Formats: sequence, C-alpha cells, structure tokens
Amino acid sequence: DIQMTQSPSSVSASVGDRVTITCRASQGIGSWLAWYQQKPGKAPKLLIYTASTLHSGVPSRFSGSGSGTDFSLTISSLQPEDFATYYCQQNTGFPYTFGQGTKLEIK
Amino acid sequence: QVQLQESGPGLVKPSQTLSLTCTVSGGSISSGGYYWSWIRQHPGKGLEWIGYIYYSGSTYYNPSLKSRITISVDTSKNQFSLKLRSVTAADTAVYYCARGLDRDAVTPFEYWGQGTLVTVSS
Repeated sequence: DIQMTQSPSSVSASVGDRVTITCRASQGIGSWLAWYQQKPGKAPKLLIYTASTLHSGVPSRFSGSGSGTDFSLTISSLQPEDFATYYCQQNTGFPYTFGQGTKLEIK
Repeated sequence: QVQLQESGPGLVKPSQTLSLTCTVSGGSISSGGYYWSWIRQHPGKGLEWIGYIYYSGSTYYNPSLKSRITISVDTSKNQFSLKLRSVTAADTAVYYCARGLDRDAVTPFEYWGQGTLVTVSS
C-alpha cells in the first residue's frame, strides 16, 4: 500500500493567517492527490484534486501544489469556517489511502 | 444534485455480519458509469477505503478486508450495499458511502453520504 504521511498532525493559527499543510507519499503518485476538509460529525468535503485543481465552489484562498511524493495544501488567509481537519488521499494505486489528518485549530 | 444516504443497524454483535445499504438519489447508478465506494473512519481516527463497485457489478476491495467483505449493487432500487463478516470491536467505525468525481476508477470522492456509526458490541 502507498503510505501517506501528513505534517503537522495539528496546527494552531489565527484568522487571517497563512497556513501550509504537507503530505508525503511513500512512492511516487504523479499528481494523483486530493485534499479534503472534514468538520466534526460531517463527511469529508473535496477541496482539491490532481494536486492543484480547485473543486467547484471551493474558495480561492485554498491552493494545492506538488507532484511525485511531496504535496502541500495552503490556505492563504484563514477564515473562521476553515478550522477543521484536513486529509490528503492518493487515488492512483489501490487500495486508495489517506493521510492521518491535520487538525487546524484556532489560536 | 447527487445525494447518498447510508442505512443499517447501528449495533452489531461480535462475529456477526455488518450490513449497510447506500441509497442514491439525484442520479442513476446504472446510467452514470461511476464507481461507488465504501469508506470507514474509526472513532477519532483517519479514513480507510473499503472498496468500490462499478455500476456493472465489478468490484475492487481493499486487500486488508477482502476476505470478509462483499459489495453489491441493486440498480432497480438505485442502491449499493456492504456486507462485512465476522466483525470485531475493531470494526466499530463511521461508515460512509461515496461516489467518485469522474467516470474513472482513478478519481477522488466528490459525493459522500452523511455517515452512519456502527458499533460492534455484545
């Protein structure tokens, strides 16, 4: 299985801050990486796919980059509704695997 | 707008079979050509992909669960289902059904059900 490792596991930030979360794959996955946002008690929501493509309706303050094994998700100016847990997922090799999550908390 | 809704027992006894159904609305499983997945999330933990079924009935399962799972589709009811046999406490999780973004197996998950908590306990 392809292992996905996110860092940090948690981060505290303030409204208006710029935050970057990273995700590393145990082997090259091209650009077949997606990012999800999950709020407590809710299903994950797709934010970005193919590493950098913003899903429909997702605010432009979210951006993704990377290819191969190293990827990042950046939120340019945190809004109150952005405090949540973020997961990366590779969708090139079966079984699909997810990172362990990064919890973004209010400072 | 596609919507998915999981249903099934919230409590299953150890060694028994967990059975869940996902009902799809706003789109037809048989006409879309999409892949329909089951994903679970252990309490307070990350996400684990269980497997998918194509509208034609072909499946692919996570090898870690392959010996215990069956995913099936009922196009007449616009539903697909998960059966997980010989459950233990380690199978306690929120179970989600989901649909891929594209008509491709290599695709992220765009639509998700709300999730259903299944607890394995005697």
